[in-house]
Amino acid sequence: DAEITQSPRHKITETGRQVTLACHQTWNHNNMFWYRQDLGHGLRLIHYSYGVHDTNKGEVSDGYSVSRSNTEDLPLTLESAASSQTSVYFCASAPGTSRREQFFGPGTRLTVL
Amino acid sequence: AQSVTQLGSHVSVSEGALVLLRCNYSSSVPPYLFWYVQYPNQGLQLLLKYTSAATLVKGINGFEAEFKKSETSFHLTKPSAHMSDAAEYFCAVSGKNRDDKIIFGKGTRLHILP
Repeated sequence: DAEITQSPRHKITETGRQVTLACHQTWNHNNMFWYRQDLGHGLRLIHYSYGVHDTNKGEVSDGYSVSRSNTEDLPLTLESAASSQTSVYFCASAPGTSRREQFFGPGTRLTVL
Repeated sequence: AQSVTQLGSHVSVSEGALVLLRCNYSSSVPPYLFWYVQYPNQGLQLLLKYTSAATLVKGINGFEAEFKKSETSFHLTKPSAHMSDAAEYFCAVSGKNRDDKIIFGKGTRLHILP
């Protein structure tokens, strides 16, 4: 069965370190998204991609970057982790026909100390 | 700009009772509307969607929602709550242009009382 996976599921890091969160989908979806979920804020869009080599900034992109070298993967990099980036991160993908019908991964809980 | 407001960050209902989760939207154009559900320690999954066809939309697990333009609402209901319905529910809005993003509400956590 097609799926979307995230790794690691839990990560603890220190302020200033570079961290990369992986997202891999086997749906063959063109569209992929990264969100962060924080209490009282719901989900906020960080970055998104509509295809290979395409990346775009979302609502809360400062301090984050993504790259899309193939259809299946969209890794999220925190260049220099900050305590404000402690959050739960969700990756999602959607077919080209309906970018709004998104399939979500299980999430990565990141703690920055 | 589009937005959604979910009334009540926590809602408790007894098992077997009616579930009503409220969502009001703001949009300058006819929107698409969604409800997503998030079970503990899982990602979100689509419960149902409104895309300008029937105003009463049926979703998975016995849930349904009604689009009311005059009230700018898209409330989620289920006639009889089950313990397995305990989860967080997110209302979301999007425009109809292909590049329009989904805007999520802040979520309502549904508690089911035995």
